[in-house]
Amino acid sequence: EPEVTQTPSHQVTQMGQEVILRCVPISNHLYFYWYRQILGQKVEFLVSFYNNEISEKSEIFDDQFSVERPDGSNFTLKIRSTKLEDSAMYFCASSGDTYREQFFGPGTRLTVL
Amino acid sequence: QKEVEQNSGPLSVPEGAIASLNCTYSDRGSQSFFWYRQYSGKSPELIMSIYSNGDKEDGRFTAQLNKASQYVSLLIRDSQPSDSATYLCAASYNTDKLIFGTGTRLQVFP
Repeated sequence: EPEVTQTPSHQVTQMGQEVILRCVPISNHLYFYWYRQILGQKVEFLVSFYNNEISEKSEIFDDQFSVERPDGSNFTLKIRSTKLEDSAMYFCASSGDTYREQFFGPGTRLTVL
Repeated sequence: QKEVEQNSGPLSVPEGAIASLNCTYSDRGSQSFFWYRQYSGKSPELIMSIYSNGDKEDGRFTAQLNKASQYVSLLIRDSQPSDSATYLCAASYNTDKLIFGTGTRLQVFP
């Protein structure tokens, strides 16, 4: 069964460093998303991406964040200068249709020291 | 502020019983509703989606939507210990952004 994959599973970084989280969405999906979940809190929407551009972003997704689809399979989230409060699980999701079912990857645990 | 509300639980049910999980949402403009299961330390796993009033059944799971009362529920029949997890309710409001509730922790004891 097709699934979303994410790498790395765990990323440890120093405050102020740049990180890139990678995702391979389900192959025939056209809509891509990033969510995050701080330990013990809700899953929060960050950004949605369709047709090579951002379709919606949350207040969390400030200038320190960017997304890119560098080729036909990968979808990346970059955090330019990490802060302690960026420590969270980051989930990539993809959907075949807008407003429809989103399938989540296993997540990347980001720890900022 | 669009909100999705869930009782955090835990909801404890014996094996074989029906577990009933509830969710309310604040915005009448919401269109689509989803139930996800999340095991500790894992990612959300889609269980059910529901878009129109009424019931939708899939195996042991039934989702119920009442738009007039702004209420979504998930029934799990013949609950198993492996169903023990946190169940997340999510809604989308005219976009594909999902708004999640805090989740209800379900414990199924043998």
